[in-house]
Formats: sequence, C-alpha cells, structure tokens
Amino acid sequence: GNSVTQMEGPVTLSEEAFLTINCTYTATGYPSLFWYVQYPGEGLQLLLKATKADDKGSNKGFEATYRKETTSFHLEKGSVQVSDSAVYFCALSDVWANAGKSTFGDGTTLTVKP
Amino acid sequence: DGGITQSPKYLFRKEGQNVTLSCEQNLNHDAMYWYRQDPGQGLRLIYYSQIVNDFQKGDIAEGYSVSREKKESFPLTVTSAQKNPTAFYLCASSSTGTGDHEQYFGPGTRLTVT
Repeated sequence: GNSVTQMEGPVTLSEEAFLTINCTYTATGYPSLFWYVQYPGEGLQLLLKATKADDKGSNKGFEATYRKETTSFHLEKGSVQVSDSAVYFCALSDVWANAGKSTFGDGTTLTVKP
Repeated sequence: DGGITQSPKYLFRKEGQNVTLSCEQNLNHDAMYWYRQDPGQGLRLIYYSQIVNDFQKGDIAEGYSVSREKKESFPLTVTSAQKNPTAFYLCASSSTGTGDHEQYFGPGTRLTVT
C-alpha cells in the first residue's frame, strides 16, 4: 500500500535559517505529492504540490521537487520567519488506486525563534 | 467564496451522550473525509465518502457513524461507544476521477467530553 515517511520533529530554528523537512514515499501507480501546513488551532491548507516526476512546487518561499528516483519530496525554504511556525504534513494521492483518498505523513512541527 | 465549513468550533459533551459534528462544502466535490487529530499527532481517517449515499470505513471507524444524503453535507456522529472521543476533528473534501486530488480542509471542531 501507499505510505509517507516524514522527518521526525520537532524542528527548532532561528529566524533566517535554512529549512529542510525530509519526506519519502512508497506508492503504486503515479502519485501526486503535496505539502500541507497547519497553523495552531486551524485546519490544514495546501502549501504546494507536484503532479509528476521532476516537477517543482513552490509557494511563499517554500519549494519541493518530485524526485521519482529517490521517491522523495523534501520541503525547503531559504530563510524562515517566525510566522512559518506550524506543523507541516507531506502527503500523496494516487489517482488510479484510491480515487481521491490521500495518505499523510505524521507531520513535522516547526518552531522559528526570533 | 467556496470552501468547507465545520460547526461548531468548540463542542462540550458529557460522557454517554452522542454528538453530531457538521461539515458542509460548496466546492462541488464528490469525495468527503473525516479525520481525527490528537495533540501532537498526525491525521487518522475515520470515514470517507466518494459519492452520495455511499461511504467507507477508514482506519478508526469504531464508535463513529456518518451519513451522506446530500453531496454538500457529511455529518459525523460520535457515539457513546467511542472510548476516547476528546480530540480535534477535521473534515475535508476533494475531487475524484483524474486530477491531483488536493484535499480542502475545514477549520476543525474541537470536541471535549467529560
């Protein structure tokens, strides 16, 4: 079956530091890959996505590249801000196998200190 | 604006009572989902529905029930059989068929049972 493994947290960084959150996946078929962000007390919202190999998703300074050869979709940001403090979830959706259902990683909590 | 609404945001109940959480979407999505999130934990799928009048159990369906009488609505009932009902409940929706199946989340309902 499908699975997503994320880097364990929590991650604590100083403002303006470089961020990497690792994500690897196992999937049958051709998954689309996502990063979602959850701010305290809220639901998840899509941060970025990539639908095929070598695609790069980007939004708000965050980037992730769909690497089929390493089955990875690592999240990066060059300079984090205090406002980036949140929980980040990696996820995949396999169009043909699950008709819309997504598989989520366990989430990585990021805290950015001023 | 299109989106998902969940109500109420906070819900308090006494042990032994059933309680129903509301979820409505106006995104014209066929699929809807209920997740449970415990403090510091990831998402666990309770139930999902890919079409009106049909739904499937997720990973932790025991003690919960759902209905899908309308495309827009997917209410979740937490029954007295659920041993640890206190949690944060998230509803989501997505398209089905071809496409990347990004999930759209509501703001969540925090249920406290004492």
